[in-house]
Amino acid sequence: AQSVSQHNHHVILSEAASLELGCNYSYGGTVNLFWYVQYPGQHLQLLLKYFSGDPLVKGIKGFEAEFIKSKFSFNLRKPSVQWSDTAEYFCAVNAGGGNKLTFGTGTQLKVEL
Amino acid sequence: GAVVSQHPSWVICKSGTSVKIECRSLDFQATTMFWYRQFPKQSLMLMATSNEGSKATYEQGVEKDKFLINHASLTLSTLTVTSAHPEDSSFYICSAADRETQYFGPGTRLLVL
Repeated sequence: AQSVSQHNHHVILSEAASLELGCNYSYGGTVNLFWYVQYPGQHLQLLLKYFSGDPLVKGIKGFEAEFIKSKFSFNLRKPSVQWSDTAEYFCAVNAGGGNKLTFGTGTQLKVEL
Repeated sequence: GAVVSQHPSWVICKSGTSVKIECRSLDFQATTMFWYRQFPKQSLMLMATSNEGSKATYEQGVEKDKFLINHASLTLSTLTVTSAHPEDSSFYICSAADRETQYFGPGTRLLVL
Protein backbone atom coordinates (compact mmCIF):
# COMPACT_ATOMS: atom_id res chain seq x y z
CA ALA A 1 0.00 0.00 0.00
CA GLN A 2 1.18 3.48 -0.75
CA SER A 3 2.19 5.87 2.00
CA VAL A 4 2.79 9.59 2.14
CA SER A 5 5.32 11.23 4.44
CA GLN A 6 5.42 14.81 5.54
CA HIS A 7 8.51 15.16 7.64
CA ASN A 8 7.87 18.65 8.97
CA HIS A 9 5.07 18.47 11.49
CA HIS A 10 5.35 22.02 12.72
CA VAL A 11 6.95 24.96 10.95
CA ILE A 12 7.22 28.49 12.29
CA LEU A 13 8.28 31.30 9.97
CA SER A 14 8.39 35.04 9.99
CA GLU A 15 6.48 36.97 7.37
CA ALA A 16 8.34 37.26 4.06
CA ALA A 17 10.39 34.15 4.74
CA SER A 18 10.49 31.45 2.09
CA LEU A 19 8.65 28.21 2.61
CA GLU A 20 9.32 24.67 1.55
CA LEU A 21 7.30 21.77 2.90
CA GLY A 22 8.42 18.27 2.12
CA CYS A 23 6.26 15.47 0.81
CA ASN A 24 7.46 12.02 -0.16
CA TYR A 25 5.41 9.08 -1.28
CA SER A 26 6.02 5.41 -1.78
CA TYR A 27 4.56 4.07 -4.98
CA GLY A 28 6.37 3.05 -8.09
CA GLY A 29 3.70 3.63 -10.68
CA THR A 30 1.82 6.59 -12.05
CA VAL A 31 0.62 9.02 -9.42
CA ASN A 32 -1.52 12.10 -9.18
CA LEU A 33 -0.33 14.49 -6.50
CA PHE A 34 -2.15 17.12 -4.48
CA TRP A 35 -1.60 19.73 -1.84
CA TYR A 36 -4.54 20.79 0.28
CA VAL A 37 -4.67 23.55 2.87
CA GLN A 38 -6.90 23.78 5.93
CA TYR A 39 -7.12 27.26 7.41
CA PRO A 40 -8.15 27.49 11.07
CA GLY A 41 -11.81 26.61 11.40
CA GLN A 42 -12.24 26.01 7.69
CA HIS A 43 -12.48 23.03 5.41
CA LEU A 44 -9.80 21.54 3.22
CA GLN A 45 -9.16 23.49 0.07
CA LEU A 46 -7.21 22.44 -2.97
CA LEU A 47 -3.99 24.42 -3.38
CA LEU A 48 -2.61 22.70 -6.44
CA LYS A 49 -2.38 19.38 -8.21
CA TYR A 50 -0.13 17.51 -10.57
CA PHE A 51 -1.28 14.91 -13.05
CA SER A 52 1.23 15.07 -15.87
CA GLY A 53 3.31 17.46 -17.94
CA ASP A 54 5.43 20.25 -16.49
CA PRO A 55 6.64 18.97 -13.11
CA LEU A 56 6.54 22.48 -11.68
CA VAL A 57 2.95 23.32 -10.96
CA LYS A 58 1.58 26.61 -9.79
CA GLY A 59 -1.40 26.87 -7.50
CA ILE A 60 -3.44 29.50 -5.80
CA LYS A 61 -2.11 32.20 -3.47
CA GLY A 62 1.42 32.09 -4.87
CA PHE A 63 2.12 28.47 -4.00
CA GLU A 64 3.94 26.09 -6.29
CA ALA A 65 5.13 22.52 -6.07
CA GLU A 66 7.69 20.49 -7.92
CA PHE A 67 7.30 16.84 -8.79
CA ILE A 68 10.64 15.02 -8.77
CA LYS A 69 9.93 11.51 -9.89
CA SER A 70 13.38 10.15 -9.07
CA LYS A 71 13.01 11.31 -5.49
CA PHE A 72 9.33 10.38 -5.13
CA SER A 73 8.81 13.91 -3.89
CA PHE A 74 6.30 16.70 -4.35
CA ASN A 75 7.49 19.58 -2.20
CA LEU A 76 5.41 22.69 -1.70
CA ARG A 77 7.04 26.11 -1.94
CA LYS A 78 6.23 29.75 -1.57
CA PRO A 79 8.85 32.48 -1.95
CA SER A 80 7.42 34.83 0.65
CA VAL A 81 4.85 33.75 3.21
CA GLN A 82 2.22 35.93 4.77
CA TRP A 83 0.57 35.79 8.16
CA SER A 84 -2.61 34.63 6.41
CA ASP A 85 -0.79 31.49 5.26
CA THR A 86 -1.00 30.15 8.80
CA ALA A 87 -2.77 26.84 8.30
CA GLU A 88 -2.32 23.11 8.11
CA TYR A 89 -1.02 21.73 4.84
CA PHE A 90 -1.70 18.21 3.62
CA CYS A 91 0.01 16.38 0.82
CA ALA A 92 -2.07 13.66 -0.82
CA VAL A 93 -1.40 11.04 -3.44
CA ASN A 94 -3.67 9.14 -5.76
CA ALA A 95 -1.96 6.07 -7.07
CA GLY A 96 -3.00 3.51 -9.61
CA GLY A 97 -5.97 5.34 -11.05
CA GLY A 98 -9.38 6.09 -9.63
CA ASN A 99 -9.60 9.01 -7.27
CA LYS A 100 -8.90 7.57 -3.85
CA LEU A 101 -6.38 9.62 -1.89
CA THR A 102 -3.76 8.76 0.67
CA PHE A 103 -2.96 11.72 2.91
CA GLY A 104 0.19 12.68 4.69
CA THR A 105 0.02 13.52 8.37
CA GLY A 106 -0.03 17.24 7.68
CA THR A 107 2.27 20.16 8.46
CA GLN A 108 1.13 22.91 10.76
CA LEU A 109 2.51 26.21 9.52
CA LYS A 110 2.53 29.26 11.73
CA VAL A 111 3.58 32.57 10.25
CA GLU A 112 4.54 35.23 12.75
CA LEU A 113 4.34 38.94 12.15
CA GLY B 1 -17.19 25.99 -8.61
CA ALA B 2 -16.72 22.61 -6.92
CA VAL B 3 -18.57 23.41 -3.73
CA VAL B 4 -19.42 20.67 -1.27
CA SER B 5 -21.73 21.17 1.66
CA GLN B 6 -22.33 19.11 4.76
CA HIS B 7 -25.22 19.17 7.13
CA PRO B 8 -25.32 19.48 10.04
CA SER B 9 -22.11 21.31 10.85
CA TRP B 10 -22.23 20.04 14.40
CA VAL B 11 -24.42 17.67 16.37
CA ILE B 12 -24.67 16.52 19.95
CA CYS B 13 -26.52 13.31 20.66
CA LYS B 14 -27.08 10.81 23.42
CA SER B 15 -25.32 7.49 23.46
CA GLY B 16 -27.32 4.84 21.64
CA THR B 17 -29.01 7.14 19.17
CA SER B 18 -28.31 7.38 15.45
CA VAL B 19 -27.07 10.42 13.63
CA LYS B 20 -27.33 11.15 9.92
CA ILE B 21 -24.88 13.43 8.13
CA GLU B 22 -25.54 14.68 4.61
CA CYS B 23 -22.97 15.53 1.99
CA ARG B 24 -23.95 17.38 -1.16
CA SER B 25 -22.05 18.53 -4.20
CA LEU B 26 -23.72 21.80 -5.06
CA ASP B 27 -22.47 22.66 -8.51
CA PHE B 28 -21.24 19.44 -10.04
CA GLN B 29 -22.14 15.79 -10.22
CA ALA B 30 -19.82 13.62 -8.22
CA THR B 31 -18.99 10.21 -9.54
CA THR B 32 -17.67 9.23 -6.16
CA MET B 33 -17.97 10.52 -2.63
CA PHE B 34 -15.68 9.75 0.27
CA TRP B 35 -16.13 9.82 4.02
CA TYR B 36 -13.28 10.58 6.40
CA ARG B 37 -12.70 10.98 10.11
CA GLN B 38 -10.23 13.51 11.38
CA PHE B 39 -8.89 13.21 14.89
CA PRO B 40 -7.42 16.23 16.68
CA LYS B 41 -4.04 17.20 15.27
CA GLN B 42 -4.07 14.21 12.95
CA SER B 43 -4.59 13.58 9.30
CA LEU B 44 -7.72 12.41 7.59
CA MET B 45 -8.56 8.76 7.88
CA LEU B 46 -10.58 7.39 4.99
CA MET B 47 -13.59 5.47 6.19
CA ALA B 48 -15.34 4.52 2.99
CA THR B 49 -15.76 5.20 -0.69
CA SER B 50 -19.25 5.67 -2.02
CA ASN B 51 -20.43 5.38 -5.60
CA GLU B 52 -23.90 6.39 -6.68
CA GLY B 53 -26.26 3.46 -6.88
CA SER B 54 -23.89 0.89 -5.45
CA LYS B 55 -22.72 -0.31 -2.08
CA ALA B 56 -20.00 1.61 -0.35
CA THR B 57 -16.52 0.21 -0.04
CA TYR B 58 -15.26 0.37 3.52
CA GLU B 59 -11.68 0.63 4.65
CA GLN B 60 -10.21 -2.05 6.83
CA GLY B 61 -11.33 -1.70 10.42
CA VAL B 62 -14.40 0.39 9.66
CA GLU B 63 -17.65 -1.31 10.65
CA LYS B 64 -20.10 -1.12 7.78
CA ASP B 65 -23.05 -1.85 10.04
CA LYS B 66 -22.01 0.97 12.33
CA PHE B 67 -21.40 3.56 9.65
CA LEU B 68 -24.15 3.23 7.07
CA ILE B 69 -23.55 5.01 3.81
CA ASN B 70 -26.19 5.73 1.22
CA HIS B 71 -25.39 7.37 -2.08
CA ALA B 72 -28.81 8.19 -3.46
CA SER B 73 -27.79 10.44 -6.33
CA LEU B 74 -24.80 12.01 -8.03
CA THR B 75 -25.05 14.97 -5.68
CA LEU B 76 -25.98 13.42 -2.34
CA SER B 77 -24.39 10.92 0.01
CA THR B 78 -25.37 10.29 3.61
CA LEU B 79 -23.45 8.79 6.51
CA THR B 80 -25.48 7.41 9.40
CA VAL B 81 -23.67 6.66 12.63
CA THR B 82 -25.84 4.00 14.21
CA SER B 83 -26.10 3.42 17.95
CA ALA B 84 -23.52 6.12 18.55
CA HIS B 85 -21.14 5.84 21.49
CA PRO B 86 -18.78 8.43 22.97
CA GLU B 87 -15.85 6.91 21.09
CA ASP B 88 -17.62 7.85 17.86
CA SER B 89 -17.21 11.50 18.75
CA SER B 90 -15.10 12.97 16.02
CA PHE B 91 -14.94 15.31 13.06
CA TYR B 92 -16.45 13.69 9.99
CA ILE B 93 -15.55 15.08 6.59
CA CYS B 94 -16.93 14.17 3.21
CA SER B 95 -15.51 14.84 -0.19
CA ALA B 96 -17.01 14.68 -3.63
CA ALA B 97 -14.91 13.81 -6.61
CA ASP B 98 -15.15 14.53 -10.25
CA ARG B 99 -12.99 12.32 -12.42
CA GLU B 100 -9.68 13.20 -10.82
CA THR B 101 -9.99 15.62 -7.90
CA GLN B 102 -11.66 15.50 -4.51
CA TYR B 103 -13.38 18.57 -3.13
CA PHE B 104 -14.05 18.65 0.56
CA GLY B 105 -17.00 19.62 2.65
CA PRO B 106 -16.68 21.75 5.79
CA GLY B 107 -17.03 18.78 8.12
CA THR B 108 -19.45 17.75 10.84
CA ARG B 109 -18.44 17.78 14.48
CA LEU B 110 -20.16 14.93 16.32
CA LEU B 111 -20.25 14.76 20.10
CA VAL B 112 -21.82 11.72 21.68
CA LEU B 113 -22.68 12.10 25.34
